[in-house]
Amino acid sequence: KNQVEQSPQSLIILEGKNCTLQCNYTVSPFSNLRWYKQDTGRGPVSLTIMTFSENTKSNGRYTATLDADTKQSSLHITASQLSDSASYICVVSANNNDMRFGAGTRLTVKP
Amino acid sequence: DAGVIQSPRHEVTEMGQEVTLRCKPISGHNSLFWYRQTMMRGLELLIYFNNNVPIDDSGMPEDRFSAKMPNASFSTLKIQPSEPRDSAVYFCASSLGSVRGTEAFFGQGTRLTVV
Repeated sequence: KNQVEQSPQSLIILEGKNCTLQCNYTVSPFSNLRWYKQDTGRGPVSLTIMTFSENTKSNGRYTATLDADTKQSSLHITASQLSDSASYICVVSANNNDMRFGAGTRLTVKP
Repeated sequence: DAGVIQSPRHEVTEMGQEVTLRCKPISGHNSLFWYRQTMMRGLELLIYFNNNVPIDDSGMPEDRFSAKMPNASFSTLKIQPSEPRDSAVYFCASSLGSVRGTEAFFGQGTRLTVV
């Protein structure tokens, strides 16, 4: 069983709308959680990193949250744009340097 | 900096042939990662180097796969002999630091098709 589960698997929204992507993990002991954005045909690019003591972090229209107690993270995208269409991958690192990848959420923003 | 540079961008080869993928990490970065990405399995870490030394190759699927890092500015991933199930996008990434949670910068990837 994957130690990082993402939902939904795919999502279609209209331009200008908000959306929230979920990441649940069982990786332990937890070190950090990172959200990557991967455009089609390109490598992933880091959006934000969350450590144990951080509950929320913003990067422009992207806001990540972390609940270390429930082992859940979310990525909220505000006022979506066509360029937000991509796969969003949650990566959780453990203290022993182990990294676990989620399968990603495929987001499509339509005009 | 041009970022992580991978070559070739696309490779089509026949089953049984040897395939070599190349990577130039970002100058100054001391960690290098090889990943494989497929629709079915998502991103998988194959091997991780720190200061040119392989630290963890537990993700390498089998003996047909090998990776080298002869110096700080170059790495190769070799598949010999290649099989159709090796078809995937192979990414190289580099980072500064030895902790895996450090931000990794990815190359554009090599799309490998084995027919």
